[in-house]
Amino acid sequence: GAVVSQHPSWVICKSGTSVKIECRSLDFQATTMFWYRQFPKQSLMLMATSNEGSKATYEQGVEKDKFLINHASLTLSTLTVTSAHPEDSSFYICSARAGEVSNEQFFGPGTRLTVL
Amino acid sequence: LAKTTQPISMDSYEGQEVNITCSHNNIATNDYITWYQQFPSQGPRFIIQGYKTKVTNEVASLFIPADRKSSTLSLPRVSLSDTAVYYCLVGEWQAGTALIFGKGTTLSVSS
Repeated sequence: GAVVSQHPSWVICKSGTSVKIECRSLDFQATTMFWYRQFPKQSLMLMATSNEGSKATYEQGVEKDKFLINHASLTLSTLTVTSAHPEDSSFYICSARAGEVSNEQFFGPGTRLTVL
Repeated sequence: LAKTTQPISMDSYEGQEVNITCSHNNIATNDYITWYQQFPSQGPRFIIQGYKTKVTNEVASLFIPADRKSSTLSLPRVSLSDTAVYYCLVGEWQAGTALIFGKGTTLSVSS
């Protein structure tokens, strides 16, 4: 199947700093990518839908100025957590649909963010 | 989006068959039923998808009754490595449409 990668796999940062997470589709082009957040022992929560070349669409309750999403190419989307605080500590997962191959949604391995 | 209801947890032993049932009373005509598996600290992985009747692949079977208001994921002869969270998702299978996850079922397999 298609492969989605994320970088970094984990990151620890100080409160107030910004952290960028990259999501790449390695062997297919993804017009649309999705960002999810998952707290311990909870389900995945959709944060936003990222469309190549246009602004992301955020879910209700997700601060667009805090979670900056950029989808500059058909294989790369980035999520920047600005001025991170301990409550932003979570597991961030991106996914993409390989629309040209199938509509299956492939998920990245996730990025563990810990804000001290 | 159709809401899904699954058992919160299930326990099993190695070698047994495990059936996880998902209720989705408000499923729409264009909705597909898809199951994902997630291990701790990993992204979800596609297991199986179906629209009606029965679907089988190398890892699981999916049974869907005629009214499509429920579905059952069947895992034959589970092993310890099948311990994971299993999510039942119902929705249109379209590019550009995000998958919405419910609470999932935590399956624990013991020896």
